[in-house]
Amino acid sequence: DSGVTQTPKHLITATGQRVTLRCSPRSGDLSVYWYQQSLDQGLQFLIQYYNGEERAKGNILERFSAQQFPDLHSELNLSSLELGDSALYFCASSSRDGSFTDTQYFGPGTRLTVL
Amino acid sequence: AQKVTQAQTEISVVEKEDVTLDCVYETRDTTYYLFWYKQPPSGELVFLIRRNSFDEQNEISGRYSWNFQKSTSSFNFTITASQVVDSAVYFCAVRGSSNTGKLIFGQGTTLQVKP
Repeated sequence: DSGVTQTPKHLITATGQRVTLRCSPRSGDLSVYWYQQSLDQGLQFLIQYYNGEERAKGNILERFSAQQFPDLHSELNLSSLELGDSALYFCASSSRDGSFTDTQYFGPGTRLTVL
Repeated sequence: AQKVTQAQTEISVVEKEDVTLDCVYETRDTTYYLFWYKQPPSGELVFLIRRNSFDEQNEISGRYSWNFQKSTSSFNFTITASQVVDSAVYFCAVRGSSNTGKLIFGQGTTLQVKP
């Protein structure tokens, strides 16, 4: 158990809908990262937050947005969902300064299925 | 740009065999970190090891060992006396100093250990 929690574990929804994925980092970790794992794209970095501020952005679609709250939990919002958004979404956290030296510890993931 | 290549898509061994998972990375950064993660059938990503670019010493942890060779840009992972519980997808990743946020993952190697 990494100490990173993600809810829900599974999510099934329809095209065009909007969902929110939630992540709680390990106690004391200030940095949160979101990744998407799909069969065709593999593991892709979406976005990083550090202490409430956006730190780095990857291949995140405009239909997706995220934020980190004052209590350090993070939410990833996915809207206008398409079939291709079906994937496993991971949250990770790290404890130091959010720089490239940090080790990222991953949560169990949220499996999103768009029908 | 950074890139990780795991040329072995799938490996199948019989229990107690030794197995090596290959990882070749590309980065222009002189300072970077290399990682291995394990993804068992349950789906979570489990951190195994982190190695920085200035430390080429091999590392051993129980039945696991890692061989980092900067000259060939490789960071290979060996499991000695494999067990059925080692069956998983293994990912190699790189994170460089020019890349504060994201881990760049390889496509993963699926290891199946048969009893």
